[in-house]
Amino acid sequence: ETGVTQTPRHLVMGMTNKKSLKCEQHLGHNAMYWYKQSAKKPLELMFVYSLEERVENNSVPSRFSPECPNSSHLFLHLHTLQPEDSALYLCASSQGGAGVVTGELFFGEGSRLTVL
Amino acid sequence: GQQVMQIPQYQHVQEGEDFTTYCNSSTTLSNIQWYKQRPGGHPVFLIQLVKSGEVKKQKRLTFQFGEAKKNSSLHITATQTTDVGTYFCAGISGAGSYQLTFGKGTKLSVIP
Repeated sequence: ETGVTQTPRHLVMGMTNKKSLKCEQHLGHNAMYWYKQSAKKPLELMFVYSLEERVENNSVPSRFSPECPNSSHLFLHLHTLQPEDSALYLCASSQGGAGVVTGELFFGEGSRLTVL
Repeated sequence: GQQVMQIPQYQHVQEGEDFTTYCNSSTTLSNIQWYKQRPGGHPVFLIQLVKSGEVKKQKRLTFQFGEAKKNSSLHITATQTTDVGTYFCAGISGAGSYQLTFGKGTKLSVIP
């Protein structure tokens, strides 16, 4: 059982839809991450929040919009996505603050997104 | 930017055989982590190596960090069907960095 919970687990959306992915961590960590996992590609870091401030945005298209209202919750808002955005979106958390990874990442089970 | 290369991409072994996956970075790493992802699952942390030349063992798993801190390996002795999954290495290139760069992973299949 993971201390990082993601909902929904599966999402199918059209290119004109607006949806959101939610992540909640129960581990008391200070940093939260969104990763994208596509077939045959390495895990791609999308966004990092440390102490509720965004510290990294890896050239992610603006159709992906993160939100971190507090240290336990992280959202990824999706709008006007493309079929190539279909992937597994993984949320993770870690200890440490001020943008420093001090240990392991704890991943959620992921949200499988399909864009039609 | 930093790249982490991992080989092989796939490995099929007979149950009881050994397995090794290798990880090479284009830059010197401050530390390296290893994760396992079961089919249909999410990555789960296995271990972190920090020191040059470090070797750590977890039961049948042996992890090594190269002297130059640019490469690492994971060796599994006498594989079992429960070892099936994809093994990822992930490196951090600088102290105080938050960005882990993942390799593409090695997908291990174990034939009973």
